[in-house]
Amino acid sequence: NAGVTQTPKFQVLKTGQSMTLQCAQDMNHNSMYWYRQDPGMGLRLIYYSASEGTTDKGEVPNGYNVSRLNKREFSLRLESAAPSQTSVYFCASSERGGSHNSPLHFGNGTRLTVT
Amino acid sequence: AQRVTQPEKLLSVFKGAPVELKCNYSYSGSPELFWYVQYSRQRLQLLLRHISRESIKGFTADLNKGETSFHLKKPFAQEEDSAMYYCALNWSDYKLSFGAGTTVTVRA
Repeated sequence: NAGVTQTPKFQVLKTGQSMTLQCAQDMNHNSMYWYRQDPGMGLRLIYYSASEGTTDKGEVPNGYNVSRLNKREFSLRLESAAPSQTSVYFCASSERGGSHNSPLHFGNGTRLTVT
Repeated sequence: AQRVTQPEKLLSVFKGAPVELKCNYSYSGSPELFWYVQYSRQRLQLLLRHISRESIKGFTADLNKGETSFHLKKPFAQEEDSAMYYCALNWSDYKLSFGAGTTVTVRA
């Protein structure tokens, strides 16, 4: 039982390049999330998927797109990377929402640097 | 608007000393609050949820609605408590707001 798996672990991009961050969970969770972690700012929600087939914007969606490929997989795409997107990206999942009965389970993170 | 504030970026304590991590929130509704922890080289994980009123790894946290606080406390810190701690507020079904985090270092 791997929980939430993210790939890649590290990535360096040049400004303007594109890439997709992959996330998969094996806990049969309905909801999945993408967060970015920046020093002094904590984690900020980029996009979430309440259930298979739905996606919604979070707090900082600009410059990103997402795809909920199936119940297990939720990918994050940077179409034209910018230095401001240098961050650590975390994928998370929960059974349903993020309430007391359904806490978030996180992946190990992807450290992205845009030069 | 909802907001979570952790005023201390860094906290250093000696082993065996008490430790308290401060968390204040602003939210007009009924709050659901959590503490998440990230140990070195491990993934972020849930430590406590306020509704459980439980003690996990010796840590407790009490929700004080009057002071809008949810401080995390442990009477005797251990070296293995060194980690990054995040306070989080669930303000909508799928939206969790995190504080900026507090890095705790427990010195021998």
